[in-house]
Amino acid sequence: QQPVQSPQAVILREGEDAVINCSSSKALYSVHWYRQKHGEAPVFLMILLKGGEQKGHEKISASFNEKKQQSSLYLTASQLSYSGTYFCGTGPIGATNKLIFGTGTLLAVQP
Amino acid sequence: DADVTQTPRNRITKTGKRIMLECSQTKGHDRMYWYRQDPGLGLRLIYYSFDVKDINKGEISDGYSVSRQAQAKFSLSLESAIPNQTALYFCATSGPDRGGYEQYFGPGTRLTVT
Repeated sequence: QQPVQSPQAVILREGEDAVINCSSSKALYSVHWYRQKHGEAPVFLMILLKGGEQKGHEKISASFNEKKQQSSLYLTASQLSYSGTYFCGTGPIGATNKLIFGTGTLLAVQP
Repeated sequence: DADVTQTPRNRITKTGKRIMLECSQTKGHDRMYWYRQDPGLGLRLIYYSFDVKDINKGEISDGYSVSRQAQAKFSLSLESAIPNQTALYFCATSGPDRGGYEQYFGPGTRLTVT
């Protein structure tokens, strides 16, 4: 079952902050975040592992609440380059590469 | 040169035709994946392979087959294409960098079945 992302779309001005949420009905071992710019391939941003380990992007942060099976991606002081569709991918225990992706959140940053 | 390449980049085919999408990588990664992307549905895993002798079904493997010809090559076949297989198809790889979690995507193949 696909994780649920919210909001579906968000429009920001440069410098504003945004939060994108991802929740799953299944127990999670890992949450992966990707960004896809229009007409391009998805690009890895970060991974959050059960136990709190986080690896990824320098300017974008995220949290992982294992008990609630939720993750949030925090985009602070947004830049035009942050525009794109953000996908979370959830990896179950024992199969962290077998990702099930959410339907995406479209982020548009305007000047 | 791109690390993950897909051919063709665009293809229009007719219902019932057999079609093969190819993926090659120069990253030296052992793991390869095929996804399809539909508007509003995100990315869905079709098949994945952790090495040449290991192939596994993903979420939506019905109507598709794959072949891992070598560590660097992973092909996706539609034996008898149907219109609802019209989609954007991505190949991806992952390796030991970043603990094997980061997947690198190819540029995609846009397939239209008429």
